[in-house]
Amino acid sequence: AQTVTQSQPEMSVQEAETVTLSCTYDTSENNYYLFWYKQPPSRQMILVIRQEAYKQQNATENRFSVNFQKAAKSFSLKISDSQLGDTAMYFCAFIDPGNQFYFGTGTSLTVIP
Amino acid sequence: KAGVTQTPRYLIKTRGQQVTLSCSPISGHRSVSWYQQTPGQGLQFLFEYFSETQRNKGNFPGRFSGRQFSNSRSEMNVSTLELGDSALYLCASRMGAQETQYFGPGTRLLVL
Repeated sequence: AQTVTQSQPEMSVQEAETVTLSCTYDTSENNYYLFWYKQPPSRQMILVIRQEAYKQQNATENRFSVNFQKAAKSFSLKISDSQLGDTAMYFCAFIDPGNQFYFGTGTSLTVIP
Repeated sequence: KAGVTQTPRYLIKTRGQQVTLSCSPISGHRSVSWYQQTPGQGLQFLFEYFSETQRNKGNFPGRFSGRQFSNSRSEMNVSTLELGDSALYLCASRMGAQETQYFGPGTRLLVL
């Protein structure tokens, strides 16, 4: 069975600093996709970044980047130059070849001014 | 292009009642998934519909059901509501397999 684990329920970071959110997953599949979603307080869930497992190059989106370690089944999110608007719940997600999404339990990130 | 919309946004029901939630996907998206989000359980997958057929189903009792129409709009129904059904119900759509899901704002259901 596919599982996604986020071992950090809560994290905080000072504004302008860098923070890394951890995510590990378990699968026997070889081709899959990984995602980080962000859910700000009382607001809509939005996609932060996406990574295809067949790509060795780590995905980046402006201040957001991932460290994808396929052999270790690790998919961490790095947020550089943290901003107050980055305060949110962050979910790691995985989609298997059967097209079903699996989500982690989330990490609540607070950016401190 | 308009995003995923969900109606109603807020709902209060009493135990034993039933409720129907609606989701309109992004135009061109044929897959609609439903999730239940609670503080204690996180995001739990309910089911996914693709071209009017249920493609995947999570571990929820039969009181939770859904359907999808020919225009890809989807409805989710919960019968015989229980207090534990209080949650944020999220709908997400995507174009097809292995594609990114886009979420709606959710329907917050409170069961009294």
